[in-house]
Amino acid sequence: DADVTQTPRNRITKTGKRIMLECSQTKGHDRMYWYRQDPGLGLRLIYYSFDVKDINKGEISDGYSVSRQAQAKFSLSLESAIPNQTALYFCATSQTGGEGYTFGSGTRLTVV
Amino acid sequence: GNSVTQMEGPVTLSEEAFLTINCTYTATGYPSLFWYVQYPGEGLQLLLKATKADDKGSNKGFEATYRKETTSFHLEKGSVQVSDSAVYFCALSVMDTGRRALTFGSGTRLQVQP
Repeated sequence: DADVTQTPRNRITKTGKRIMLECSQTKGHDRMYWYRQDPGLGLRLIYYSFDVKDINKGEISDGYSVSRQAQAKFSLSLESAIPNQTALYFCATSQTGGEGYTFGSGTRLTVV
Repeated sequence: GNSVTQMEGPVTLSEEAFLTINCTYTATGYPSLFWYVQYPGEGLQLLLKATKADDKGSNKGFEATYRKETTSFHLEKGSVQVSDSAVYFCALSVMDTGRRALTFGSGTRLQVQP
């Protein structure tokens, strides 16, 4: 099993629908992150969580919300999806901030 | 604020050619620097890192040296292989009020031809 698992791998949804992307990890890491990847823009931070009770907005949090249900689970929600949220979404974990992250394989979301 | 600038791609090389991918950064404080690699259809993987000035990170034949005076962390490899074809991301992490999250560059696609 992968250390960081994202579900679904691919999703097509309609404008205005609510959708949840899920992330679970077996690394035992405290810190979890959601990034969005767009062509030519690299990865941009949406939300991050340093423990279950600590949730922080990243640089592009508008239109998104998150829930840290447990140390191992961190879900990302789009309350009302819009086409410019079409992107590749990555979840990542780390134990502290100074070392490398472990990334999931990504969720490709298309909003039509 | 913190930012990372990478050379635009794609970079197309023949097998066994020398590779350089430029990366410069702007940061408040003293960052740790990273290179990540993304193979097609996969998530990002840590390739190498350096945590202080003049440190050299290395892995799988790739190297990068933390140059504080030029705020750079260029990625190099002496002889690329077809299997090195991927997207490479430079990133930094800065302690900011006790919190860190990685800031990424826009990525550079490398294509190695046989």
